[in-house]
Amino acid sequence: GQNIDQPTEMTATEGAIVQINCTYQTSGFNGLFWYQQHAGEAPTFLSYNVLDGLEEKGRFSSFLSRSKGYSYLLLKELQMKDSASYLCAVRDKYGGKLIFGQGTELSVKP
Amino acid sequence: DAGITQSPRYKITETGRQVTLMCHQTWSHSYMFWYRQDLGHGLRLIYYSAAADITDKGEVPDGYVVSRSKTENFPLTLESATRSQTSVYFCASSDRTNTGELFFGEGSRLTVL
Repeated sequence: GQNIDQPTEMTATEGAIVQINCTYQTSGFNGLFWYQQHAGEAPTFLSYNVLDGLEEKGRFSSFLSRSKGYSYLLLKELQMKDSASYLCAVRDKYGGKLIFGQGTELSVKP
Repeated sequence: DAGITQSPRYKITETGRQVTLMCHQTWSHSYMFWYRQDLGHGLRLIYYSAAADITDKGEVPDGYVVSRSKTENFPLTLESATRSQTSVYFCASSDRTNTGELFFGEGSRLTVL
């Protein structure tokens, strides 16, 4: 089975940096995804890690350590529009299904 | 337009009725998925399909039926709806090239009275 843990809520200030952690325990692993979901909307893809290390994409970076079962999403220069839910998801060993964590609700305050 | 579409977007039904949520994608993606999203539970996988005529259970399959006779369609049926199936349902698709990221439909909000 798979177990994915993320903090339920986080609050940060506009212009600051925030790190959202995700830990996972899986029987197999074939990649970790981060998605962003604004209230009332569908999730949208942010990042993908399959090898250890940091992937950077503009203001967003994602890190993976497979040996520790750990990932984080780093958001820099926070903007009000970054207020959303951030979902960590792990793809199983056979490359099929994607299992999501409960999501982290991020509130960005002025 | 190309993409993934769900219908209906909103549905109110009564306990015991059969409901079918439709999902259609125009990318010819091999994988398709159904998730439900409830407060406090995040996205939970109901069923997924790797190709036409191949389906498999996810985390919460009880009370749901799927079929995939054509690559582009993946309907989800609640054979006898219960109040606990009140939720927002998301369909998604992916291929296995590049990252294999999921592309989501806009969601179907189902209320069972």
